Amino acid sequence: ELKVEQNPLFLSMQEGKNYTIYCNYSTTSDRLYWYRQDPGKSLESLFVLLSNGAVKQEGRLMASLDTKARLSTLHITAAVHDLSATYFCAVDWRGGSNYKLTFGKGTLLTVNP
Amino acid sequence: GAVVSQHPSRVICKSGTSVKIECRSLDFQATTMFWYRQFPKQSLMLMATSNEGSKATYEQGVEKDKFLINHASLTLSTLTVTSAHPEDSSFYICSARDLRSGANVLTFGAGSRLTVL
Repeated sequence: ELKVEQNPLFLSMQEGKNYTIYCNYSTTSDRLYWYRQDPGKSLESLFVLLSNGAVKQEGRLMASLDTKARLSTLHITAAVHDLSATYFCAVDWRGGSNYKLTFGKGTLLTVNP
Repeated sequence: GAVVSQHPSRVICKSGTSVKIECRSLDFQATTMFWYRQFPKQSLMLMATSNEGSKATYEQGVEKDKFLINHASLTLSTLTVTSAHPEDSSFYICSARDLRSGANVLTFGAGSRLTVL
């Protein structure tokens, strides 16, 4: 069974600061996703990482994937209040006859003025 | 881009009644859809994988007789919570793969918040 560990689970940071969220997973996979969830809402897709060494950036967020280390990171640069949300990583793996997505526990990010 | 419509967005029902939630892929065909459940302040837990034209595959611990899943067409999957009880109150989210993207993109519905009184 795949395990996806995300840390930290809670992150309170000041505007303008940088920080990294880590996502470790326990089995071979080269498909990893990052999602954002606002309170009471569904998931918003942020990044799709499909190969070792993949790096993607969108605004103040940058995600990377190291399949050998089974590690993905989500780096936040110069945080702003609008980034406050819960961030999930999810790993796509073949469980039985289907690929299925297993989520980390999520990181609740609060950006303070 | 791919759009998944989920309905209803909110439903309140009495204990013992059944509730049906629909998940539609609006502009693509989805041979596989997924149903997740999310309790407050927790992550998403996969309940079942729904394949068009065949029986759903349920995750361990999910009662197939309580959570009935039907995937009758390439654009529609339904989840019926039978004889709902307060502990079934949760946020239910469906998702579907757009095969046009090589099955790498998973699109999520907006979710259905179920409250059982």
